[in-house]
Amino acid sequence: GQQLNQSPQSMFIQEGEDVSMNCTSSSIFNTWLWYKQDPGEGPVLLIALYKAGELTSNGRLTAQFGITRKDSFLNISASIPSDVGIYFCAGQRWGGGSNYKLTFGKGTLLTVNP
Amino acid sequence: NAGVTQTPKFQVLKTGQSMTLQCAQDMNHEYMSWYRQDPGMGLRLIHYSVGAGITDQGEVPNGYNVSRSTTEDFPLRLLSAAPSQTSVYFCASKLGASSYEQYFGPGTRLTVT
Repeated sequence: GQQLNQSPQSMFIQEGEDVSMNCTSSSIFNTWLWYKQDPGEGPVLLIALYKAGELTSNGRLTAQFGITRKDSFLNISASIPSDVGIYFCAGQRWGGGSNYKLTFGKGTLLTVNP
Repeated sequence: NAGVTQTPKFQVLKTGQSMTLQCAQDMNHEYMSWYRQDPGMGLRLIHYSVGAGITDQGEVPNGYNVSRSTTEDFPLRLLSAAPSQTSVYFCASKLGASSYEQYFGPGTRLTVT
């Protein structure tokens, strides 16, 4: 199936540092999404991106939809301990029998040391 | 609204046993789906449904059955459990197929011995 390459796999940072993670694909997506999963819970949507080149912020989070439609990145500024969790990118494709299914990256495990 | 609910939270099965993982949503969402999450593999789509009476296979459907007799419920059946099905299972729903905001349940942690 379609693969999303998400990197890095894990990050260990100090509180207050900025974080950057990204996803790349060999195919085009119409929508890029970023989710966060807290330990023992289901993923929660953080940011949705709809247009190539779009830059969107949600508090300390900023995400961009790559101009080629094949990549996206997520930045977290001034990290705090509650940012700990697994961050997933997801791509959604329209039409062509895709039925709008989401394809997920393998996740980035973020650990923040106080 | 309770959102997306899943039962049970934890389950241990012996190889060859069958069971049903329950999923329900009270948001009148048309689109529901099941994922499994394994370490280092992310979330993989098992089956999905675009509305009552309509289901289709995802990326990893083998060994699982689904049905969608009502808008609210989307159970996942393991026909004959295998150790390879040890995983965390998430049910999710969204308003419609083209909607982007997908709501996940809390998950069911299944161990097959």
